[in-house]
Amino acid sequence: QKEVEQDPGPLSVPEGAIVSLNCTYSNSAFQYFMWYRQYSRKGPELLMYTYSSGNKEDGRFTAQVDKSSKYISLFIRDSQPSDSATYLCAMSVGGTSYGKLTFGQGTILTVHP
Amino acid sequence: EPEVTQTPSHQVTQMGQEVILRCVPISNHLYFYWYRQILGQKVEFLVSFYNNEISEKSEIFDDQFSVERPDGSNFTLKIRSTKLEDSAMYFCASSVSDISGNTIYFGEGSWLTVV
Repeated sequence: QKEVEQDPGPLSVPEGAIVSLNCTYSNSAFQYFMWYRQYSRKGPELLMYTYSSGNKEDGRFTAQVDKSSKYISLFIRDSQPSDSATYLCAMSVGGTSYGKLTFGQGTILTVHP
Repeated sequence: EPEVTQTPSHQVTQMGQEVILRCVPISNHLYFYWYRQILGQKVEFLVSFYNNEISEKSEIFDDQFSVERPDGSNFTLKIRSTKLEDSAMYFCASSVSDISGNTIYFGEGSWLTVV
């Protein structure tokens, strides 16, 4: 079983739609959960960070973590064409290994006008 | 906004040649990382570095890889004898500390093609 699984898509939605992106994981030691956005030929850019279970909201973005199900989600409300990118989930066990991120495959999102 | 800068943006090298990828982390950051992304695959952790020592490395980071902070600003990844399978995008990253919750900032990557 892969440590982190993420549906690569591609996902295509109309502008204004609500987008749901998901990852599952197998390592119960993961404590820190992040979502990165990666534009073509660019480095990953941190969007959201969540510790342990719960929800976190930042503008149009909401991150959810369900540790009991080993499942994390990112919701994008009122999606815009500028949201078109690859979205990567990433996880860390924390402590001295905090910087050792384990990434998902990435989901390619296209928001069309 | 401060950023991690990487050079070169793209390098083509012959198999068996040595390659050095360079990074300038954000100036007040103390923790440095290299990741790589083979085309179509996941971003993978290679190594973390703090206080002039490797903190942690993955199984990918074998004896052909080395990292160095030769001066106060640069952080380099050396691949001694490149193989075809080393072709990938290599990302440098840095963070202020290793305290959980600190943002890890990534550079834009160096695309390495081994022919």
